[in-house]
Amino acid sequence: GDSVTQMEGPVTLSEEAFLTINCTYTATGYPSLFWYVQYPGEGLQLLLKATKADDKGSNKGFEATYRKETTSFHLEKGSVQVSDSAVYFCALSDRTGGSYIPTFGRGTSLIVHP
Amino acid sequence: NAGVMQNPRHLVRRRGQEARLRCSPMKGHSHVYWYRQLPEEGLKFMVYLQKENIIDESGMPKERFSAEFPKEGPSILRIQQVVRGDSAAYFCASSPDDREQYFGPGTRLTVT
Repeated sequence: GDSVTQMEGPVTLSEEAFLTINCTYTATGYPSLFWYVQYPGEGLQLLLKATKADDKGSNKGFEATYRKETTSFHLEKGSVQVSDSAVYFCALSDRTGGSYIPTFGRGTSLIVHP
Repeated sequence: NAGVMQNPRHLVRRRGQEARLRCSPMKGHSHVYWYRQLPEEGLKFMVYLQKENIIDESGMPKERFSAEFPKEGPSILRIQQVVRGDSAAYFCASSPDDREQYFGPGTRLTVT
């Protein structure tokens, strides 16, 4: 079945540091890929998405590129802020085989210190 | 366009009582998903519904749990005879198709 693997957290950085959160996936078909962010006490918010190979999703300074050859969708940001502290979830949606259920990673906690 | 709404935000129930969680999807969205999240864990899929139909309930326990999405009104997740292990955050998400999802703020259920 489909699966998503994220690097374990927490990831602890100083403000203005470079961020990478690794995400790899396995899928039977050709999935769409997503990053969601969850701030404390809130629901998940869609951060960015990519629907085909080599697409780059971007939003609020975050970027991720759909790499089919390495089955990866790593999240990056050039300069993190304290307000970026949250839990980040990588996810895929693969309709091949009739399944409409998205698959989420376990989440990676990011802590940014001033 | 209002986002996904869930109520109540916090719910306290004694063991053996019933819990009813409501989710109003975004306008125009006909797909609703329910998830459970435990502290320090990811999201666990429970059930996927479209209007008046349960499409996939493979993640929902067979006993005590049920879900509906009527033609009119919100989607309801019902937990009968709650136990302490049901304490968790329950999230609803809606979608215009079956790909990207828009999440509500969640209902935090505490069973005492």
